[in-house]
Amino acid sequence: LAKTTQPISMDSYEGQEVNITCSHNNIATNDYITWYQQFPSQGPRFIIQGYKTKVTNEVASLFIPADRKSSTLSLPRVSLSDTAVYYCLVGGSGNTPLVFGKGTRLSVIA
Amino acid sequence: DTGVSQNPRHKITKRGQNVTFRCDPISEHNRLYWYRQTLGQGPEFLTYFQNEAQLEKSRLLSDRFSAERPKGSFSTLEIQRTEQGDSAMYLCASSSNPDRGRETQYFGPGTRLLVL
Repeated sequence: LAKTTQPISMDSYEGQEVNITCSHNNIATNDYITWYQQFPSQGPRFIIQGYKTKVTNEVASLFIPADRKSSTLSLPRVSLSDTAVYYCLVGGSGNTPLVFGKGTRLSVIA
Repeated sequence: DTGVSQNPRHKITKRGQNVTFRCDPISEHNRLYWYRQTLGQGPEFLTYFQNEAQLEKSRLLSDRFSAERPKGSFSTLEIQRTEQGDSAMYLCASSSNPDRGRETQYFGPGTRLLVL
């Protein structure tokens, strides 16, 4: 199973851009990289997914270098409501289940 | 709201009792997952259904745990002879993408279990 490593926690002020980097050195060729967001007492919510280069949606951007051994989730101009735990996941191909790590706890400060 | 629903949202039980949780996935989703999450940890995979077939079970799923998905629609997760260590949030997720490598799982709100 592909393992991911990401910072345990990050702090940011409102209005700043936040970048959370995830390492996944043993990512498989067919694996995609997916990020989820989780608020307290709620289930995780899909944010963004990518395979290579850059993906952008209305919520975030995902940057993936050519070797795909890491990825960076970028949240532009965070607000207090972005305070949550962010999970980076890789895999799911070959019928292996996705593995959630401990995630990164982002705290946005006014 | 056509998202994933779970019932009950909260359950308090005494050690040794049996409990059953229900998950109603998004209607057109053929895959259904159960996870368990404890405080400060990410969700841990328990089991997975493709339609009505249970295809994978984690080693975390002891003999006291059983899951069903009759007719490939809703699913139930039963825990027999509950133990205090079973206290956790139980999450259900569903998806439909045929390529598991790039599927998006949609999670329900979870059922929080407290075993006294």
